[in-house]
Amino acid sequence: AQSVTQPDIHITVSEGASLELRCNYSYGATPYLFWYVQSPGQGLQLLLKYFSGDTLVQGIKGFEAEFKRSQSSFNLRKPSVHWSDAAEYFCAVDRSNFGNEKLTFGTGTRLTIIP
Amino acid sequence: DGGITQSPKYLFRKEGQNVTLSCEQNLNHDAMYWYRQDPGQGLRLIYYSQIVNDFQKGDIAEGYSVSREKKESFPLTVTSAQKNPTAFYLCASSIASGTAYNEQFFGPGTRLTVL
Repeated sequence: AQSVTQPDIHITVSEGASLELRCNYSYGATPYLFWYVQSPGQGLQLLLKYFSGDTLVQGIKGFEAEFKRSQSSFNLRKPSVHWSDAAEYFCAVDRSNFGNEKLTFGTGTRLTIIP
Repeated sequence: DGGITQSPKYLFRKEGQNVTLSCEQNLNHDAMYWYRQDPGQGLRLIYYSQIVNDFQKGDIAEGYSVSREKKESFPLTVTSAQKNPTAFYLCASSIASGTAYNEQFFGPGTRLTVL
């Protein structure tokens, strides 16, 4: 069965420091991968997505992610975090390929920013 | 402004009562989804609908029911058969072209607490 693993439940970084959030997936075919962000008590917002092509994808708010097929990973990065980046981050894989109806989410990583 | 509305934001019900959560979108999207979010478990798909008068079970449909009588509305009923209904419920919608991935847009969520 397809699955998404986010090994870090909670990460704390200092404002201005770099960030990397890990995501590993288990999926037989070429995956469609996503990162979403959720502020407390709110819905989710799409940060970026990977379908094919260039394995380094750029997203909103200065985030990027790199797809590494050999490692089954899709880690999210940001060179310098801002206090407003404090939120929960979810990695997801689309199981349906163009069907758009079966996103499998990881369990999330909560990001805390300290001054 | 176009978007997804979920109401109410907080909902309290007594055990054994059915409760209906509202989801409305004015994005003219064909597809709509319901997810359940529990701490430490990410989001899980309850039901989805790609067209009016049609819907499909997701991964955790037991104890839930939906209807899709109008394109803009996809209400979710949490029945008394749902053993552990206390959770955060998220509605989403997307264009359902069937030929390419289209981003799911999320509503702000409803937090249901069963007393």
